[in-house]
Amino acid sequence: DGGITQSPKYLFRKEGQNVTLSCEQNLNHDAMYWYRQDPGQGLRLIYYSQIVNDFQKGDIAEGYSVSREKKESFPLTVTSAQKNPTAFYLCASSSIQGGPYEQYFGPGTRLTVT
Amino acid sequence: GESVGLHLPTLSVQEGDNSIINCAYSNSASDYFIWYKQESGKGPQFIIDIRSNMDKRQGQRVTVLLNKTVKHLSLQIAATQPGDSAVYFCAENIFDKLIFGTGTRLQVFP
Repeated sequence: DGGITQSPKYLFRKEGQNVTLSCEQNLNHDAMYWYRQDPGQGLRLIYYSQIVNDFQKGDIAEGYSVSREKKESFPLTVTSAQKNPTAFYLCASSSIQGGPYEQYFGPGTRLTVT
Repeated sequence: GESVGLHLPTLSVQEGDNSIINCAYSNSASDYFIWYKQESGKGPQFIIDIRSNMDKRQGQRVTVLLNKTVKHLSLQIAATQPGDSAVYFCAENIFDKLIFGTGTRLQVFP
C-alpha cells in the first residue's frame, strides 16, 4: 500500500530533551512538510522540503530542525529550545511537478513534554 | 482521541440534511484550494479541490464553490451522514505552500 507513515503515535519526553519524530512516504513525492496543530487552531507550517538535501523554514521554525537525506524520509527534531513543544505534529507529502496538488497527511504524532 | 478544535465554530445538522461549510481566504493570488476532513486523533483527509480558474467542482456527495470576487470558498455536503462528523478545514495554496483555516466542526445528529 502506498502511503505516509509517522511514528510513534504518542511520545512523551521530559523538558530539556531533544526528540525526533519520524516521517516516511512511499508515494514517490518530491515535497514533504511538517505541521504543528494546537487545539482550536489550524495547521501551522514548521518546515518543508521540495528536494533531497534542501529544506526551507515555514512560519514557526524556531526550536525545530529537519533533514532530508532521502526522498522517502523527512524527520523532525523538536529541540529543547522550543518553548511550547506539546502539540500534535503532522507530516505531509505531495507531488509538485505540474502542480499544485493536494498534500497527503500521515496519522500524526502526539508529543507531550512535561 | 486527539482534542482537535476545542473552540471551533460548530455546524449542527440533522442526518439526511445538506450541510454548507464556509471559508474566507486571505490572498487574492491563491491559485488552488482544498477541503480536508479531520476526524479526532487522525491526520487530515483530502475531500475535494478546486483551481482558481473554476467556480464550481463536484465530487461524490460534495460540491465546492469558489467566489474569487469576495474571496470565499464553500463546501456543500449532500445528505449528511453520521460518518461526516468531523472538523473540516479549507486551505489555500500560494507560492507552493498551503495556508489552513482554523476549521469548522460538523456535528450530525439523528
